[in-house]
Amino acid sequence: ETGVTQSPTHLIKTRGQQVTLRCSSQSGHNTVSWYQQALGQGPQFIFQYYREEENGRGNFPPRFSGLQFPNYSSELNVNALELDDSALYLCASSSGQGPGGYTFGSGTRLTVV
Amino acid sequence: RKEVEQDPGPFNVPEGATVAFNCTYSNSASQSFFWYRQDCRKEPKLLMSVYSSGNEDGRFTAQLNRASQYISLLIRDSKLSDSATYLCVVSAGNMLTFGGGTRLMVKP
Repeated sequence: ETGVTQSPTHLIKTRGQQVTLRCSSQSGHNTVSWYQQALGQGPQFIFQYYREEENGRGNFPPRFSGLQFPNYSSELNVNALELDDSALYLCASSSGQGPGGYTFGSGTRLTVV
Repeated sequence: RKEVEQDPGPFNVPEGATVAFNCTYSNSASQSFFWYRQDCRKEPKLLMSVYSSGNEDGRFTAQLNRASQYISLLIRDSKLSDSATYLCVVSAGNMLTFGGGTRLMVKP
């Protein structure tokens, strides 16, 4: 059974650019959530996808968008990058049976300069 | 006010010590409660779920007080390998709400 994999592991972008982060969910999991973790803080919920539909969204602006594909993998897109977008972006997958079965990927560390 | 509040620490304790972390949450509709562990520059990993009746997993004991909206984690006989950040997590649906984490450093 493979776990959650994220790519790339590290990324440096310039302010104003766009970025796409990718996540492959754990086998058998149909729900993917994305979190942003700034340095020294806990992860903050961005949004969740269930069977290719957005299923909840946190307090993030529309320039944060996502997709989920038929194989349940997912993308997080961020447009018009700002310096404050620098963070660890975590993807978590679950079977959708409740919040107790989340598995996190090792994250993508994004630096905006 | 943050939805989930934790003392950021750090808690510096000697090996073998007992240490307790506390957490408060503001959403009375929260249904599920967890402690996660996060090592430096790694992803969070589930340590244990927390139930109203209290639950124990080896050296770790978690307690939930719904009336006070308060969660605790007790670590007995601390090991060097327990050094990490401990994240208090609550959920009112399928979304997880994390506290800022409490950093623990266990010294020889």
